[in-house]
Amino acid sequence: AQSVAQPEDQVNVAEGNPLTVKCTYSVSGNPYLFWYVQYPNRGLQFLLKYITGDNLVKGSYGFEAEFNKSQTSFHLKKPSALVSDSALYFCAVRDDGGNTPLVFGKGTRLSVIA
Amino acid sequence: DTEVTQTPKHLVMGMTNKKSLKCEQHMGHRAMYWYKQKAKKPPELMFVYSYEKLSINESVPSRFSPECPNSSLLNLHLHALQPEDSALYLCASSQEDRLGEKLFFGSGTQLSVL
Repeated sequence: AQSVAQPEDQVNVAEGNPLTVKCTYSVSGNPYLFWYVQYPNRGLQFLLKYITGDNLVKGSYGFEAEFNKSQTSFHLKKPSALVSDSALYFCAVRDDGGNTPLVFGKGTRLSVIA
Repeated sequence: DTEVTQTPKHLVMGMTNKKSLKCEQHMGHRAMYWYKQKAKKPPELMFVYSYEKLSINESVPSRFSPECPNSSLLNLHLHALQPEDSALYLCASSQEDRLGEKLFFGSGTQLSVL
């Protein structure tokens, strides 16, 4: 069975500082990994995905994520945080070993302080 | 047009009412989804339609009844709901229901059951 863990409920970072939002996963086959962002009273927006290839994936709004197979992690990063990045971030995984639906992590609330 | 449009944005209903949630996309996507999201929780998959046929029903109670009249529209019919069904209901679409496809989400319908 597939699962995804986001160990932090909340991440606080000062504007201009780098940010990291952590995600680890568990699958039986190969992982298809995604990050989505949700702003208040809105649906989720796709940020980036890892399917295969380069371990460093670049996405929307200056975000990137690094796939680490040995640590089963897919942490979201941004070199310089903006106040407007404050939102709820979800990591999600799909397992090609079971062809099961997308599973979301519990979410991490990012607060960027001016 | 890269939008998924959901109506209504807000809905308050009694436990004996019958109502419907509507979702529309004009991106030519052939997979459409209903998710339920409680406050500060990740979205939970309810139903998946692929090429207008129901492909996944995640053991959702029969008081929720999905319908896909055509490839652009997705409805969720509600009847005899319980207060614990109050949540944000999100519609999403993707080109197809494939492992690497990203989802496009609507802004959701905030449902309150009294």
